[in-house]
Amino acid sequence: EPEVTQTPSHQVTQMGQEVILRCVPISNHLYFYWYRQILGQKVEFLVSFYNNEISEKSEIFDDQFSVERPDGSNFTLKIRSTKLEDSAMYFCASRSRGLDSPLHFGNGTRLTVT
Amino acid sequence: LAKTTQPISMDSYEGQEVNITCSHNNIATNDYITWYQQFPSQGPRFIIQGYKTKVTNEVASLFIPADRKSSTLSLPRVSLSDTAVYYCLVGPGANNLFFGTGTRLTVIP
Repeated sequence: EPEVTQTPSHQVTQMGQEVILRCVPISNHLYFYWYRQILGQKVEFLVSFYNNEISEKSEIFDDQFSVERPDGSNFTLKIRSTKLEDSAMYFCASRSRGLDSPLHFGNGTRLTVT
Repeated sequence: LAKTTQPISMDSYEGQEVNITCSHNNIATNDYITWYQQFPSQGPRFIIQGYKTKVTNEVASLFIPADRKSSTLSLPRVSLSDTAVYYCLVGPGANNLFFGTGTRLTVIP
């Protein structure tokens, strides 16, 4: 079964540094998402992306965050200047065209900001 | 977006059937009901989705009453590996984006 893959599995960075989290969605999927989950808390929506533009974003997704689909396969989340509170698991998800098609998630990147 | 309410936690013995109910009183006409499962340090995994009545797949059943203001995820004969957090999401298919706090199911030997 095709799956969403995320790299790296764990990223450690210093406060103020830029990080790029990478995702390869399922190949025929058209809608792409980033979520995060702070340890012990719920899964929080960050942003959705379709047709090379952001379709929806949450209050968490401020100017420090950006997303990009630089080629036909990768989908990236950039955090410009990391803060301690950005430490979390970041999940990428994708889905196909149908209105009832569910989200398929990767296994996440654990970001630790020191 | 319809707000969902689920029990925070449930315990069950191995081999039992588990039913997790989700309340969504303000569900809209075009909203789907989708359930996901999450194991520690893994991404959520789709279990089942429905719009009305009953849906069954190889993993679970989903019961939706006529008024659609609630739904029940049924897991037959749970095993220890079913210990996870289960999330109910309600929304129009394309925008079924927001997770609640979920139900932490613990299966006891």
